[in-house]
Amino acid sequence: AQKVTQAQTEISVVEKEDVTLDCVYETRDTTYYLFWYKQPPSGELVFLIRRNSFDEQNEISGRYSWNFQKSTSSFNFTITASQVVDSAVYFCALSEASNKAAGNKLTFGGGTRVLVKP
Amino acid sequence: EPEVTQTPSHQVTQMGQEVILRCVPISNHLYFYWYRQILGQKVEFLVSFYNNEISEKSEIFDDQFSVERPDGSNFTLKIRSTKLEDSAMYFCAGQWSSYNSPLHFGNGTRLTVT
Repeated sequence: AQKVTQAQTEISVVEKEDVTLDCVYETRDTTYYLFWYKQPPSGELVFLIRRNSFDEQNEISGRYSWNFQKSTSSFNFTITASQVVDSAVYFCALSEASNKAAGNKLTFGGGTRVLVKP
Repeated sequence: EPEVTQTPSHQVTQMGQEVILRCVPISNHLYFYWYRQILGQKVEFLVSFYNNEISEKSEIFDDQFSVERPDGSNFTLKIRSTKLEDSAMYFCAGQWSSYNSPLHFGNGTRLTVT
């Protein structure tokens, strides 16, 4: 069974500080997909990034970067130079490729609330 | 940019009443989903729908729940007899053909059962 754990329930930073969100996952599949979603106070779920299990290259996209390490089953997410508008709940999610019949069923972590103070 | 649209944004109903939550996915979406989020908790999978039938459902999705896509555009979630514990935010999501493409979520319907 797949499982996603976000140990940090809430992180508070001052604007312009970097913030790193931890995500640890469990899966028996060798092919899987990892995602980060943002849920601002307005409530919608906004897709941020996706990573395939066979590609461990870490990337930077604007102020977002991620560190995917299969050896430790971690998929951490960093916001550089945080801004007040980054205040939201961030969810890590996992999808297993063997479950193709169900499309892309996502298992979400519990979320980390990020509060960026001016 | 096209969006997944959910209506209503907020629904208040009395316990035991039937509710229908509506979703219009983006055109050409092939997979459809309902998720729910009880206030302050994680987002939970309810059901996936493909080729006009349910492809997978969770333990939460019991006989009180049903989904359909009768006219090829609207995707609905029906709760036959609502319970207090059904109060949550319900998210519809759609996905294109690739099984690793991201899910596009609607803005959600907040259901309050009194």
